Amino acid sequence: AQKITQTQPGMFVQEKEAVTLDCTYDTSDPSYGLFWYKQPSSGEMIFLIYQGSYDQQNATEGRYSLNFQKARKSANLVISASQLGDSAMYFCAMSNDYKLSFGAGTTVTVRA
Amino acid sequence: GAGVSQSPRYKVAKRGQDVALRCDPISGHVSLFWYQQALGQGPEFLTYFQNEAQLDKSGLPSDRFFAERPEGSVSTLKIQRTQQEDSAVYLCASSSRTSGSSYNEQFFGPGTRLTVL
Repeated sequence: AQKITQTQPGMFVQEKEAVTLDCTYDTSDPSYGLFWYKQPSSGEMIFLIYQGSYDQQNATEGRYSLNFQKARKSANLVISASQLGDSAMYFCAMSNDYKLSFGAGTTVTVRA
Repeated sequence: GAGVSQSPRYKVAKRGQDVALRCDPISGHVSLFWYQQALGQGPEFLTYFQNEAQLDKSGLPSDRFFAERPEGSVSTLKIQRTQQEDSAVYLCASSSRTSGSSYNEQFFGPGTRLTVL
């Protein structure tokens, strides 16, 4: 069974600063994918970034980067230069075939 | 093109009523997923379709839950004899990829918020 753990229920960050959201996972499969999604108060799930288990380099997408530490089974999301619009719920998810298994999420609040 | 759409966006049902939730995936996407998201939690997988075939329904919580995708496009999630514990947001997602790939970017709809009184 796959399990995703997000230990930070909520975080506050000052505008223009960076924030790191923690995610650890547990799987026995050698091939898997790690995803981060953003869910604003409007409810839609927005794909942010993907990291494959065999990828040698950490994934980056604009202000988002994924700190992938395979031996520690860790896939932390770093948001740089936070903006007020980044305030949302963030979910870490894992897939080894088709379905996604999600963590409980972390609420990020960006302060002006 | 348009993204994933779901209807209704909000549904209030009395306990014991049947409800039907609709999902229109992105055109051409072969894979379709239903997830249930309880308040303050992450989405939980319910079921997966590849075209019209329901390949995995292991997440459906009871036999009151039924999903179909008869023509491989639009899907309907039906809940019979609704209970209060069915109150949640039901998310639909679609993907152009099929099973067998860990890279499975799923595009989500806005969800249907179901409240059972």
